[in-house]
Amino acid sequence: DAKTTQPTSMDCAEGRAANLPCNHSTISGNEYVYWYRQIHSQGPQYIIHGLKNNETNEMASLIITEDRKSSTLILPHATLRDTAVYYCIVRSDASGNTPLVFGKGTRLSVIA
Amino acid sequence: GAVVSQHPSRVICKSGTSVKIECRSLDFQATTMFWYRQFPKQSLMLMATSNEGSKATYEQGVEKDKFLINHASLTLSTLTVTSAHPEDSSFYICGAKVPYGYTFGSGTRLTVV
Repeated sequence: DAKTTQPTSMDCAEGRAANLPCNHSTISGNEYVYWYRQIHSQGPQYIIHGLKNNETNEMASLIITEDRKSSTLILPHATLRDTAVYYCIVRSDASGNTPLVFGKGTRLSVIA
Repeated sequence: GAVVSQHPSRVICKSGTSVKIECRSLDFQATTMFWYRQFPKQSLMLMATSNEGSKATYEQGVEKDKFLINHASLTLSTLTVTSAHPEDSSFYICGAKVPYGYTFGSGTRLTVV
């Protein structure tokens, strides 16, 4: 699975959009970009994933650049409950039933 | 969506005793369960992979005789921390692969005193 690079931490004002970047310059053609988050003292929570098209669900939007070397997770109207560590993980479906490997992620602090 | 129920959410035990953590897949069958450990301000570290009906595979540096994993059915995997010591105090999380990605339990905070 390709390596990802994320900023260590970010702040966002409550009600504003939170834009979390992820660099995955070595991504290969069959690898998806997954985003998970972990709120303090809870298990990781799936947010969204995509291959090359932009994706949106009830939680967030995922914008993937045309060359697929980077992506941005967008929380459109951040709330205090969105304070968490956000993990960007690149993974191929061909990896089968193998575990998800977590990096350090980005610690997002939503400020009132 | 697919849910993994993990119990207990927190436990305090004395040094030298054993603690069992359970993870149940509530609405799907999990042939494989992944066990992670997380120390404060660190990321999740994979400890082992449990497979229904066979032996678990452990990551390098994880003592299989200390962290006993049992996956006797398609809906239940357990992790037993044997002869616990204060350095085993940590946050333990289980997870399983599902069609859209992975789903995780809510975690167990173990404190060994």
